[in-house]
Amino acid sequence: DAGVIQSPRHEVTEMGQEVTLRCKPISGHNSLFWYRQTMMRGLELLIYFNNNVPIDDSGMPEDRFSAKMPNASFSTLKIQPSEPRDSAVYFCASRQRDWDYEQYFGPGTRLTVT
Amino acid sequence: AQTVTQSQPEMSVQEAETVTLSCTYDTSESNYYLFWYKQPPSRQMILVIRQEAYKQQNATENRFSVNFQKAAKSFSLKISDSQLGDTAMYFCAFMRRGGSEKLVFGKGTKLTVNP
Repeated sequence: DAGVIQSPRHEVTEMGQEVTLRCKPISGHNSLFWYRQTMMRGLELLIYFNNNVPIDDSGMPEDRFSAKMPNASFSTLKIQPSEPRDSAVYFCASRQRDWDYEQYFGPGTRLTVT
Repeated sequence: AQTVTQSQPEMSVQEAETVTLSCTYDTSESNYYLFWYKQPPSRQMILVIRQEAYKQQNATENRFSVNFQKAAKSFSLKISDSQLGDTAMYFCAFMRRGGSEKLVFGKGTKLTVNP
């Protein structure tokens, strides 16, 4: 079975542009998490979904960030407009919360905003 | 709010030797899980070992074992017979059971295994 798939793997964009990160969770998993990793703040949760419904978005920095999960097999994290301080690695993880507490991580998207 | 502290930013060990990475956490929860994740230069997050708080027995996975001290809120990772492939960042993480089931991570320990 394929693991969590994220695209793109690398993204370089200019300040002010819109950025969309994509995630496909492991088939059958019903929880999806978005994490951000920076040198200053380490790894921190941005938002997570159970059964496509947002449960905890307390980590979303500000209104420039939005996340959606239109169905069980796809999620997006959008930044509009992007700023240099958004440069980070963004991870998506998924989990089958009914019988497993392990979160499986995707390879991450390295975002650079110039 | 839960916090996780890893007090050793960097550590090194000789190949084949044993090393212990420290982790402490703060929580008022009684039902939770603890994890150690490995992040090699490829940046992929790999689960190394996990511990359920209600289990008194320390978890082991081959060369990896933990020392879980619930009262002291301590969760250290021991790597035996260190291998060059163990070189990576290691993150300790906490997850409560019920409510917000996000992972709360420590800042990480960079482990280098020297030949």
